[in-house]
Amino acid sequence: AQTVTQSQPEMSVQEAETVTLSCTYDTSESNYYLFWYKQPPSRQMILVIRQEAYKQQNATENRFSVNFQKAAKSFSLKISDSQLGDTAMYFCAFQSPGANSKLTFGKGITLSVRP
Amino acid sequence: DAMVIQNPRYQVTQFGKPVTLSCSQTLNHNVMYWYQQKSSQAPKLLFHYYDKDFNNEADTPDNFQSRRPNTSFCFLDIRSPGLGDAAMYLCATSRDLAGTEQYFGPGTRLTVT
Repeated sequence: AQTVTQSQPEMSVQEAETVTLSCTYDTSESNYYLFWYKQPPSRQMILVIRQEAYKQQNATENRFSVNFQKAAKSFSLKISDSQLGDTAMYFCAFQSPGANSKLTFGKGITLSVRP
Repeated sequence: DAMVIQNPRYQVTQFGKPVTLSCSQTLNHNVMYWYQQKSSQAPKLLFHYYDKDFNNEADTPDNFQSRRPNTSFCFLDIRSPGLGDAAMYLCATSRDLAGTEQYFGPGTRLTVT
């Protein structure tokens, strides 16, 4: 079974600075999908970024980028120029490509952006 | 425009009294999911529908049931809520199964008294 580990329960960053959220996973599969989801306080969860394991290039979405290290099974999220609206819980998630595969979430990390 | 809508946003029910939560989507997605999320924890998948095909997670209690009468709507029925069922219930949709983005609704917070 796949596992996703987010070892840091909480982080804090000053507005406009850069922060990196770590995530590791364990799988024996060679092809899979990785996601970072953001859940702001009292608001719905949204996708931040998605990575396909067979693509070597790291995914980027505006201020959000990932450092995908397949051999190390690491998938960290870098948030540049942090904004107050980035304050949220962030979940790293793994998904196999097979039918009926489900998202396996990490425990999440609470990120606070300080003004 | 709201894409995944959940009603009600807050639901209070009594111990043992059946309750139904509803979810609707305007995305015309094939897959609809129900998750249970307890405070500061990751969402836990209860079940999902791919079109009309129902897939129950092995550890989902029998107390939880679901119905999907059409593409747009999906319901979560809790037949006899216990205190441990108090949680946020999230509905999500996706165009397909593996690898595609899931779109989440705002959730229904269930309180059991």
